[in-house]
Amino acid sequence: EPEVTQTPSHQVTQMGQEVILRCVPISNHLYFYWYRQILGQKVEFLVSFYNNEISEKSEIFDDQFSVERPDGSNFTLKIRSTKLEDSAMYFCASRGDKTRPKLNYGYTFGSGTRLTVV
Amino acid sequence: QQQVKQSPQSLIVQKGGISIINCAYENTAFDYFPWYQQFPGKGPALLIAIRPDVSEKKEGRFTISFNKSAKQFSLHIMDSQPGDSATYFCAARGETSGSRLTFGEGTQLTVNP
Repeated sequence: EPEVTQTPSHQVTQMGQEVILRCVPISNHLYFYWYRQILGQKVEFLVSFYNNEISEKSEIFDDQFSVERPDGSNFTLKIRSTKLEDSAMYFCASRGDKTRPKLNYGYTFGSGTRLTVV
Repeated sequence: QQQVKQSPQSLIVQKGGISIINCAYENTAFDYFPWYQQFPGKGPALLIAIRPDVSEKKEGRFTISFNKSAKQFSLHIMDSQPGDSATYFCAARGETSGSRLTFGEGTQLTVNP
């Protein structure tokens, strides 16, 4: 079964440093997402990306965050200057199989990157 | 309006029992209601989903019941097994919320052997 792949699985960074979280969505999918989950809390939407541009972002996704799909396969989330409160699991997701349009609602999540800001 | 409220926060069930998790929503524009299962250290995995044009959907031991007028939906796990022990999240998506999923707070299910 196709998977969404995320790297690294765990990233520790100093406060104020930049981090890039990487994702390889399912190849036929059209829509890409980043969500985050602070330990013990619910999953929260950050941003959606379609047709090489941001289609929607939440209030969490401020100027410190950016996303990119640099080469048609990778999808990255950059946090420019990390804060302690950015510590969370970050999940990439994709959906919208262009070869199976009736299944467009099905989101597939990756296993996540645990970001620890110290 | 965008919130999805989930209960209970935690649930302990004996093997073979029925696990029931409930969710309520406010936004009547939501049109897709999935349930996700999450094991520690893993991402949410789609378990079962329903659209509001049906009141029930069953897949194996998992059933979603949907009450459109009450704006509530629930997950029933029949014959619960220790391997079902995980965190379960309900979610909702609608046209007015873009393509984002709005998640409930999660339910930690423990099935005792």
